[in-house]
Amino acid sequence: GAVVSQHPSWVICKSGTSVKIECRSLDFQATTMFWYRQFPKQSLMLMATSNEGSKATYEQGVEKDKFLINHASLTLSTLTVTSAHPEDSSFYICSARALTRGNNQPQHFGDGTRLSIL
Amino acid sequence: AQKITQTQPGMFVQEKEAVTLDCTYDTSDPSYGLFWYKQPSSGEMIFLIYQGSYDQQNATEGRYSLNFQKARKSANLVISASQLGDSAMYFCAMSLFSGGYNKLIFGAGTRLAVHP
Repeated sequence: GAVVSQHPSWVICKSGTSVKIECRSLDFQATTMFWYRQFPKQSLMLMATSNEGSKATYEQGVEKDKFLINHASLTLSTLTVTSAHPEDSSFYICSARALTRGNNQPQHFGDGTRLSIL
Repeated sequence: AQKITQTQPGMFVQEKEAVTLDCTYDTSDPSYGLFWYKQPSSGEMIFLIYQGSYDQQNATEGRYSLNFQKARKSANLVISASQLGDSAMYFCAMSLFSGGYNKLIFGAGTRLAVHP
């Protein structure tokens, strides 16, 4: 089945540090990747849609300058949390869809990144 | 507005028995997809089953089946012959084609505990 790799799995760093998270589709091409944030015992909240070769589309309330997204190729999207603070601590998870249109293609998820800012 | 509702924060089931996890949705779009994902404590999201809005038959995938009632806007997940490994969070999600791409919106989730 389709595999999405997300790296790193865990990050612990000091306040003020910028953290980059990578999301790769390993065996398929993805023009669109999605970034979610999940707080403990809550659902996934879509942060932004990453489009290959163009600017990301952010959901309402998500700071573009805080969460930088780059989708430089059909298999790689990166999320950079800039100048991270303790309130940015969360579980971040990416997903990707194959190139076909239509509603029936599931999004395949990475294993997520647990970010802890001290 | 599009919305997914899962009204059961937690469910318990005895091993080998069947369990139904509820999901209702709201959309005015005639074309949509409904998905169920499983999230174990390790965090990864595992795709279980899909139902399209135009599908005439209920979807089935092994021990998972989807009870799709379009008029009621419900898409309940049925897990038959529960196993201890089924203990996890389960999320219902709806895919909408918006702005040139498909977007998933998730329900709040249901935590399932399978007892021996």
